Amino acid sequence: GAGVSQSPRYKVAKRGQDVALRCDPISGHVSLFWYQQALGQGPEFLTYFQNEAQLDKSGLPSDRFFAERPEGSVSTLKIQRTQQEDSAVYLCASSLETGDYGYTFGSGTRLTVV
Amino acid sequence: AQSVTQLGSHVSVSEGALVLLRCNYSSSVPPYLFWYVQYPNQGLQLLLKYTSAATLVKGINGFEAEFKKSETSFHLTKPSAHMSDAAEYFCAVSDGTNAGKSTFGDGTTLTVKP
Repeated sequence: GAGVSQSPRYKVAKRGQDVALRCDPISGHVSLFWYQQALGQGPEFLTYFQNEAQLDKSGLPSDRFFAERPEGSVSTLKIQRTQQEDSAVYLCASSLETGDYGYTFGSGTRLTVV
Repeated sequence: AQSVTQLGSHVSVSEGALVLLRCNYSSSVPPYLFWYVQYPNQGLQLLLKYTSAATLVKGINGFEAEFKKSETSFHLTKPSAHMSDAAEYFCAVSDGTNAGKSTFGDGTTLTVKP
């Protein structure tokens, strides 16, 4: 596609519910990142994929967070047993090359846990 | 470890006036530096990036930034503000590993008055 597509745009989850957030990067983009952006703050790194390999997951805040990119294109960020502190905008970004610093972001998924 | 400090969470200028958004960084290795713009309910858009070439970097929409190693700064400027420049701006730093995993500042909201 022309840009990075994320779905859903908005998600309201009850505390304890599992959620899955989808990212469809630009076709052919090798690198894919997930960031979490809390209200009034800058994005914070969650995890990074190079094709299907998850090379860095140091930013995942707990073992309730899990990300995958099984075929090296679409990625899913899953949050189990959601908590109120998980409420944030989850941003996906991709870039063409591993050394192509500066990436294209999607519009994000705004997750609200009630 | 890397960090970014954006001085001034809110900046207000008149249309046609100079825009100056301040960013100072900390990095133990030569950094890569970025400015992104975020419009409401949208993802981040790359304005410009410094990757150890020319210290004065020109970006989109008339913005530019100068890398000053001695001051550990990467301030963003635009000679003449336009109403459409009103948005939130984020400075980010990367150490060049993991295809540009970045640390972001908390953002500066730019307001442009008619």
